[in-house]
Amino acid sequence: ETGVTQSPTHLIKTRGQQVTLRCSSQSGHNTVSWYQQALGQGPQFIFQYYREEENGRGNFPPRFSGLQFPNYSSELNVNALELDDSALYLCASSSGLAGVSYEQYFGPGTRLTVT
Amino acid sequence: AQTVTQSQPEMSVQEAETVTLSCTYDTSESNYYLFWYKQPPSRQMILVIRQEAYKQQNATENRFSVNFQKAAKSFSLKISDSQLGDTAMYFCAFMKHSTASKLTFGTGTRLQVTL
Repeated sequence: ETGVTQSPTHLIKTRGQQVTLRCSSQSGHNTVSWYQQALGQGPQFIFQYYREEENGRGNFPPRFSGLQFPNYSSELNVNALELDDSALYLCASSSGLAGVSYEQYFGPGTRLTVT
Repeated sequence: AQTVTQSQPEMSVQEAETVTLSCTYDTSESNYYLFWYKQPPSRQMILVIRQEAYKQQNATENRFSVNFQKAAKSFSLKISDSQLGDTAMYFCAFMKHSTASKLTFGTGTRLQVTL
C-alpha cells in the first residue's frame, strides 16, 4: 500500500460541467503529478505541483487546472467537460528537490465518465 | 520529444514459465531513467523495476529483470517463474533526468498468466 489516496473513486458528469478530483499525497512527499489514462492507453502527463507551484505541464488545454495545498494534497479541476475527458485520472506523489524524483507512488485513480 | 513503443498488445504465459515483454523508445537525451510499471485490475500503478541509463548493468528485482540496450534504445522486461498474480497490464515508461519528474508511458502490454 503506497499511502496515496484519491477521491472520488468514480463519478459521472455531463458535457459542459466542471469537476474537481482530489489526491492526498504520501506522508513526507512534497510533489504531486497528475496523469490522464484513456481506455486502452498509457497514462499521459497533465501537470505537476511542487510546493504549491505548478512545476511542469503536458499538452493539455488551460481548462485543466490544479492546486496544491500546504499539506501537499492536490486538486485537479477540469472545466467545460468534453466527452474525450472520460478517462482514469491518476495522481502520483514523490519527494525530491525542485520536484525531481524517480520514485513516484501512484494512487488508485478516479474514473471519470462524461456523458 | 520522447516516445515509448510497446509492440505487443497482449501476451500469455503459463504459470512457472518465463516471458519477455518488449519496449523501444526514442530520445535525444543522454541521461534518463526507464521503468516498468504493473497495473493490475485494481488500477493502482505499481513500480516493478527501474534502470538508470548511465548504468551498463541490467537491473534485477527478484523474478524481474531487464535487458537494456542503450544503443538500440531497447528495454525489455523478463519475468521468470511467472505467477498468477503477475496477470496485469505492463507499461514501459521513460523519464528525463532533469526538471519535472514527467513520465512518458507506452501503450501497455496485457499479460495473462494461465494454469
